[in-house]
Amino acid sequence: EADIYQTPRYLVIGTGKKITLECSQTMGHDKMYWYQQDPGMELHLIHYSYGVNSTEKGDLSSESTVSRIRTEHFPLTLESARPSHTSQYLCASSSQGLRNGYTFGSGTRLTVV
Amino acid sequence: GQQVMQIPQYQHVQEGEDFTTYCNSSTTLSNIQWYKQRPGGHPVFLIQLVKSGEVKKQKRLTFQFGEAKKNSSLHITATQTTDVGTYFCAGNFNKFYFGSGTKLNVKP
Repeated sequence: EADIYQTPRYLVIGTGKKITLECSQTMGHDKMYWYQQDPGMELHLIHYSYGVNSTEKGDLSSESTVSRIRTEHFPLTLESARPSHTSQYLCASSSQGLRNGYTFGSGTRLTVV
Repeated sequence: GQQVMQIPQYQHVQEGEDFTTYCNSSTTLSNIQWYKQRPGGHPVFLIQLVKSGEVKKQKRLTFQFGEAKKNSSLHITATQTTDVGTYFCAGNFNKFYFGSGTKLNVKP
């Protein structure tokens, strides 16, 4: 079944650790996105990609980095986690035409202690 | 930068009452999308509006796109407890920008 998968679902990690949040989609979408969302709040675009080897920073300044080596995979990496990084991270993808909107993953709830 | 303003921020209604959320932009949008996010969940795409003055219905939900393509609304008739969640609009200015959302609570 075509879908978008994020792992881990929950992550509690110590300050200074390096972490990678995984996102994979099986829909063949060219466009992928990472959003940061505090509980019940608005979504902030932090990274996006329109295809393989294409990545751009979003509107919210973020200390994270992303890569897009394969169409289906768009991991997000934090080199040194801090408590201010505690949030929910949502991955999304869309087709070129955007007729069916963005498909979001279930998110990763990150807590940095 | 591009912004989509969404009001109200919160709405508490009694089950059976109607609900409306509004999105406004200072510039013309190519199109606008609406999403619903249940508590603890992720946003789920509801609909996309493209044409000026467009009106679309999904059961009890009615979506409108303004004539100038600068505003949009989502109206729910006779709310049910299953309508609880946050409703986001996302306006297209070459990229989609999400509004701040309207959190709907429905009292049974």
